[in-house]
Amino acid sequence: NAGVTQTPKFQVLKTGQSMTLQCAQDMNHEYMSWYRQDPGMGLRLIHYSVGAGITDQGEVPNGYNVSRSTTEDFPLRLLSAAPSQTSVYFCASTRQGRRSPLHFGNGTRLTVT
Amino acid sequence: AQTVTQSQPEMSVQEAETVTLSCTYDTSESDYYLFWYKQPPSRQMILVIRQEAYKQQNATENRFSVNFQKAAKSFSLKISDSQLGDAAMYFCAYRRPAGGGADGLTFGKGTHLIIQP
Repeated sequence: NAGVTQTPKFQVLKTGQSMTLQCAQDMNHEYMSWYRQDPGMGLRLIHYSVGAGITDQGEVPNGYNVSRSTTEDFPLRLLSAAPSQTSVYFCASTRQGRRSPLHFGNGTRLTVT
Repeated sequence: AQTVTQSQPEMSVQEAETVTLSCTYDTSESDYYLFWYKQPPSRQMILVIRQEAYKQQNATENRFSVNFQKAAKSFSLKISDSQLGDAAMYFCAYRRPAGGGADGLTFGKGTHLIIQP
């Protein structure tokens, strides 16, 4: 059982480049989300989805785009990378319902130069 | 908006001793869930323990237990018989009630736990 799979693990971009962080889960979870982790800031919600075809913004959505065409996949797109987007990105999934914990991927460390 | 505060950026404890990590939160809701996650140097986020707000009894998982004070909006984590493998960042998190918006977690900024051999 793979759980939540994120790729790539590491990425270096130049300012202005675009890229997509991939996230896939095999637990048939309805809810998926993207967080960024910065030193001293904890994890902050970027975008989330409560099901295929439904997405919404979290706390820090600017500069990111998401789509949810299937239950399994929830890619995060950086449209024009900026140094402020240097961070560690986590994808997570869970069943609907407050009792269920989030299952996290192993993270992607992104550096924008 | 809900906020989660971890007032201890770093804590240090001797191996085999007990340590308590503090967490307070702010919410106007009466029903919610609270979690502690551990993040070792591998960067993986690992669920340690969870607490349901409507349950009076404090959650326990082996050497990990919480002191949940709902009126004070406090949710501290106690680690007994600390082991070297407990060294990590610990994050307290609040999960919003279902519906009406994002169903994700609000995290504190974390506490870095150091275990002294």
